[in-house]
Amino acid sequence: AQSVTQPDIHITVSEGASLELRCNYSYGATPYLFWYVQSPGQGLQLLLKYFSGDTLVQGIKGFEAEFKRSQSSFNLRKPSVHWSDAAEYFCAVGPYSGGGADGLTFGKGTHLIIQP
Amino acid sequence: DAGVTQSPTHLIKTRGQQVTLRCSPISGHKSVSWYQQVLGQGPQFIFQYYEKEERGRGNFPDRFSARQFPNYSSELNVNALLLGDSALYLCASSLEAPSGVPHFGPGTRLTVT
Repeated sequence: AQSVTQPDIHITVSEGASLELRCNYSYGATPYLFWYVQSPGQGLQLLLKYFSGDTLVQGIKGFEAEFKRSQSSFNLRKPSVHWSDAAEYFCAVGPYSGGGADGLTFGKGTHLIIQP
Repeated sequence: DAGVTQSPTHLIKTRGQQVTLRCSPISGHKSVSWYQQVLGQGPQFIFQYYEKEERGRGNFPDRFSARQFPNYSSELNVNALLLGDSALYLCASSLEAPSGVPHFGPGTRLTVT
């Protein structure tokens, strides 16, 4: 069964500092990988996705993520965070490459706190 | 273009009651999925519908059911509500299934007392 692990429940970063959120997945085939962001009381907004090709993907709001097959990781990065980046971040894996319709499997999320 | 819309925004129900949640997908999207997000957890997949047919189902009891209408909107029904059903219910639409990228709505916050 597929699974996603986000090892950090909370991360605190100073405004202007760089950010890296970790994501490890377990999946039997080539995964489709996603990062979503959720502000309090809101739905999920797609930051970026990886389906195939270049392993470094660019997303919205200055975020990027790198797919590393050897480490089963898809870490999210941003060179300089802004106070508005404070939110919950979810990594997810999908089975789309293998067909079927099992939906996305999400990690438990990382809560990002921005210090002034 | 309008995003995914869900109604109602919030509702409170009593144990044992039934509830219906509604979702309208992004225009042109033919697939709708439902997720349950319990406080402090990531979303969990409940159902996926495409072209009015159920294409996938997560590990949820038969108290949960859904359907998709000819206009691609969808309803999620939960019968015999339990306290543990209290959660944010998210609807996501995509152009197709299963390979479309899900775009999520704002969710419906269900509280069961």
